[in-house]
Amino acid sequence: EDKVVQSPLSLVVHEGDTVTLNCSYEVTNFRSLLWYKQEKKAPTFLFMLTSSGIEKKSGRLSSILDKKELFSILNITATQTGDSAIYLCAVGTNTGNQFYFGTGTSLTVIP
Amino acid sequence: DAGITQSPRHKVTETGTPVTLRCHQTENHRYMYWYRQDPGHGLRLIHYSYGVKDTDKGEVSDGYSVSRSKTEDFLLTLESATSSQTSVYFCAIRGGPSYEQYFGPGTRLTVT
Repeated sequence: EDKVVQSPLSLVVHEGDTVTLNCSYEVTNFRSLLWYKQEKKAPTFLFMLTSSGIEKKSGRLSSILDKKELFSILNITATQTGDSAIYLCAVGTNTGNQFYFGTGTSLTVIP
Repeated sequence: DAGITQSPRHKVTETGTPVTLRCHQTENHRYMYWYRQDPGHGLRLIHYSYGVKDTDKGEVSDGYSVSRSKTEDFLLTLESATSSQTSVYFCAIRGGPSYEQYFGPGTRLTVT
């Protein structure tokens, strides 16, 4: 059974801290891994990774994929209260063009 | 903004009534998806479409049907709504430079 597991389930940090969110997967016919940020609305796309070892970066956020060990991490440096959200990881497959989502990590950044 | 709208945005209905949710896209994407999101379960795929009249089931398709008669519209129907179908429903398209997914604003459905 295809599955995507995110950890931790929730996290509370202070502004300025650095956080690392984890996503591991067991999916047949892996195509891509995607990260989303969800505030109190629809998920918004952050990154898509397809190749191992190549870091994607956008401002204070960065992500990397390890296809051998079947996981990805999302790093957020110098956290701000606006980073408070649920972060979702999804894996896309070549079979049926489906995406499997983890249950998310809820991040709370306190001033 | 990936040009995706959903209607209605909120709906309250009674058990046993039929409900249809609409997803509309303006950018001619081939793939469209319906998900439900529930606490503790994350986003789960209900059905998806890979073209007009081409649809397939996802992991939680029981009790739902879909139709796609035009590229821009993907309809999700609950033939006889049950309380277990109370959820937030998101439509998504697959597009962008790397074929990533983009989501519509969501529909909050409450079945009483």
